[in-house]
Amino acid sequence: DAMVIQNPRYQVTQFGKPVTLSCSQTLNHNVMYWYQQKSSQAPKLLFHYYDKDFNNEADTPDNFQSRRPNTSFCFLDIRSPGLGDAAMYLCATSRDLGSNQPQHFGDGTRLSIL
Amino acid sequence: AQKITQTQPGMFVQEKEAVTLDCTYDTSDPSYGLFWYKQPSSGEMIFLIYQGSYDQQNATEGRYSLNFQKARKSANLVISASQLGDSAMYFCAMREGRGWDQAGTALIFGKGTTLSVSS
Repeated sequence: DAMVIQNPRYQVTQFGKPVTLSCSQTLNHNVMYWYQQKSSQAPKLLFHYYDKDFNNEADTPDNFQSRRPNTSFCFLDIRSPGLGDAAMYLCATSRDLGSNQPQHFGDGTRLSIL
Repeated sequence: AQKITQTQPGMFVQEKEAVTLDCTYDTSDPSYGLFWYKQPSSGEMIFLIYQGSYDQQNATEGRYSLNFQKARKSANLVISASQLGDSAMYFCAMREGRGWDQAGTALIFGKGTTLSVSS
């Protein structure tokens, strides 16, 4: 009964070849987030959606885009992956943005760049 | 300045012993939430426990408890009766504010502490 599902678990792509990571949720939460986590580092927020409202972090590169076609799904698009984009990508959800709301994470997608 | 500080890069404990993982935080917002997450080597981030800034009592969830000392701005995680399956990276995190039009809605993570439990 997984609640936040990320596909695939492992993704390999070529340098410069666009790639899309997917996330779905069964929690009916309003907010969906994408984090990037490099080895031995804390997760870093890239952006989040509150319902259909997109909120980009100031230092998220333009190479990273996101789509949320409906409540359940959210996609992370990397337009031209570079070697520095190899990382674990974590999707998370929360009911809303209140400071008392925990975020529930998926299992992550580990992205490798050849 | 770091918002969340975890000073212990690694901790070692034997099975059945208790262990405390340290976390201090920095915020001027009176309303905030503190969270602990566990990340095993497989990569998933598992929510463990939450403490709100206005909560009067320390949070507990099974073998996990949070030693919240507001004046010292610390929120240490205590794991009682450690098990081999507790071996993982543990992250302390904070959310500031309440409401989407306020700054600081992002979950701010510390650098993590790696816990190793031995038999």
